[in-house]
Amino acid sequence: IQLTQSPSFLSAFVGDRVTITCRASQGIDTFLAWYHQKPGKAPRLLIYAASTLQSGVPSRFSGSGSGTEFTLTINTLQPDDFGTYYCQQLANYPYGFGQGTKLEIK
Amino acid sequence: EVHLVESGGGLVQPGGSLRLSCAASGFNFKTYAMNWVRQAPGKGLEWVSVISSTGDRTAYPDSVKGRFTISRDNSKDTLYLQMNGLRAEDTAVYYCAKDLYASGSLIFDDWGQGILVSVSP
Repeated sequence: IQLTQSPSFLSAFVGDRVTITCRASQGIDTFLAWYHQKPGKAPRLLIYAASTLQSGVPSRFSGSGSGTEFTLTINTLQPDDFGTYYCQQLANYPYGFGQGTKLEIK
Repeated sequence: EVHLVESGGGLVQPGGSLRLSCAASGFNFKTYAMNWVRQAPGKGLEWVSVISSTGDRTAYPDSVKGRFTISRDNSKDTLYLQMNGLRAEDTAVYYCAKDLYASGSLIFDDWGQGILVSVSP
């Protein structure tokens, strides 16, 4: 299963609403997770099962979708949200990640 | 608070071996599956291996199958990754990652800081 994220690069202002899309090459139900990684740091789990917010993650993050198309939405973008976002499919071996979306804060 | 600390990385020649360790604290280690995830310099994330909470089940992607072995010592709250037949393409930061569940969902809810493995002549 291949995951394709779009866009690959995104630049937005603090306070903006941002949407990242992850498309799977075949249906994966809701077996999808999202991670956020800042430069030089380990990734952080944001969302799993496509829409379940991980404990401690701010409510401005939300996920939706099923089958082959998924979205990660960040409402009211904060300065701390810069970095790279990855989706990951959990439906089939070898449980790969998307190529990443790099988010820059203007 | 969950704390995962990797050790054992470094520079190794192609064909060589290395054993990574991950010391866990802050949670009941023996009740969760554990994973290794790697990231080549400037690249994305790649899942490397998973081991169930009891250690009786493991899985690997084809890229490392037959060369890497994941194991755990629940009496020491420690996870291991034995890496043999290392190749240049194994050069990466290796992260120890706690699984959300005991069986191994490959949802990584806590991560170590990562450790660099460099494979070069």
